Amino acid sequence: ILNVEQSPQSLHVQEGDSTNFTCSFPSSNFYALHWYRWETAKSPEALFVMTLNGDEKKKGRISATLNTKEGYSYLYIKGSQPEDSATYLCAFLRGSQGNLIFGKGTKLSVKP
Amino acid sequence: DTGVSQDPRHKITKRGQNVTFRCDPISEHNRLYWYRQTLGQGPEFLTYFQNEAQLEKSRLLSDRFSAERPKGSFSTLEIQRTEQGDSAMYLCASSSDYHNEQFFGPGTRLTVL
Repeated sequence: ILNVEQSPQSLHVQEGDSTNFTCSFPSSNFYALHWYRWETAKSPEALFVMTLNGDEKKKGRISATLNTKEGYSYLYIKGSQPEDSATYLCAFLRGSQGNLIFGKGTKLSVKP
Repeated sequence: DTGVSQDPRHKITKRGQNVTFRCDPISEHNRLYWYRQTLGQGPEFLTYFQNEAQLEKSRLLSDRFSAERPKGSFSTLEIQRTEQGDSAMYLCASSSDYHNEQFFGPGTRLTVL
């Protein structure tokens, strides 16, 4: 059974705070790790697709790192804004075109 | 809007009724996936098409569920004799052969009373 674990389950921060989430996944048969942001009533939006050990990717105030040998990825948000409030999902991909195996997500709430 | 679309967005039905959902993928994408998300869980894989061929089915897909993609474009997911446990968000995603990023639709939220 392949498990993808995310922590924390939920997070409440004040506007301006920086925060980070963890995703752990099986280190064997790794192909890619996806991060998605899912706002209520919208489609999940892809943030990053990470494939190489040691990868670091950045998009504005959001960045992610990847360690495939130990099976974890971190997502960082610098200076959280209310519009960052969403559920952040990570998903593990075993083969190049297989199905994604998702964690349960981290629900972030940013208070103004 | 050239993204993945799903219809309907919401469906309320009584237990025992049949329901059908539709997914229109991004036009140049030949791969199409169905996932289901229940409360407190992440999305779980149901089935996957490459063009019109259904290549993989999860054991979550009981015999009451059937999915089709007759012309390799849009797909339908039918649930027969719905049960309360079928209440969930049903998500569709598509991707191309050249990039493994999956693009998701907004989902169909099913409530079975």
